[in-house]
Amino acid sequence: DVKVTQSSRYLVKRTGEKVFLECVQDMDHENMFWYRQDPGLGLRLIYFSYDVKMKEKGDIPEGYSVSREKKERFSLILESASTNQTSMYLCASSSARWGGAYEQYFGPGTRLTVT
Amino acid sequence: AQSVTQPDIHITVSEGASLELRCNYSYGATPYLFWYVQSPGQGLQLLLKYFSGDTLVQGIKGFEAEFKRSQSSFNLRKPSVHWSDAAEYFCAVGGSGGGADGLTFGKGTHLIIQP
Repeated sequence: DVKVTQSSRYLVKRTGEKVFLECVQDMDHENMFWYRQDPGLGLRLIYFSYDVKMKEKGDIPEGYSVSREKKERFSLILESASTNQTSMYLCASSSARWGGAYEQYFGPGTRLTVT
Repeated sequence: AQSVTQPDIHITVSEGASLELRCNYSYGATPYLFWYVQSPGQGLQLLLKYFSGDTLVQGIKGFEAEFKRSQSSFNLRKPSVHWSDAAEYFCAVGGSGGGADGLTFGKGTHLIIQP
């Protein structure tokens, strides 16, 4: 079974702090993703990566950065946390295969509260 | 740009009754379609997927979905719901970018099961 783990289930940070959210997958997947989930808005893509050291902006990258130094690990960084970044953050991974978007496997999520 | 619409924010169904959750998508080519389920406080679990071929796809937990190209729809069905089916359901569409780009999700349908 694919396993995607996230470093914390719940996190509380103060405004202005630098925040790191870590994600690790154990299936040797090439692609990794960070989404945020807010009530009434569904899931929105923040950043994704299709290879080590590669990154692409998603729909809402402002205020975030990412790092992928190893294939299995994808980190989301909030350089200076703000209250509007209070949300559920979901990491996902998928295999790179010819011809299409293959299913993504999700971690359990990190509920981040910025006070 | 691709998009997904789930017209129903909430649906209430009696236990044992049938269920249909609606999903309409917009995509310029052949879409890759997915249904995910999210139990409270959890990540997303894949229920089923459509890539090509038979337009009626079977998934886990007794769910099925039918792809109708003429209606741009991919509705999820279950003949008899159980109390454990209460959850948030998300429809998603992906493109032909080799899986490296993210999925576009609908805003979700919250399913409530009445005893």
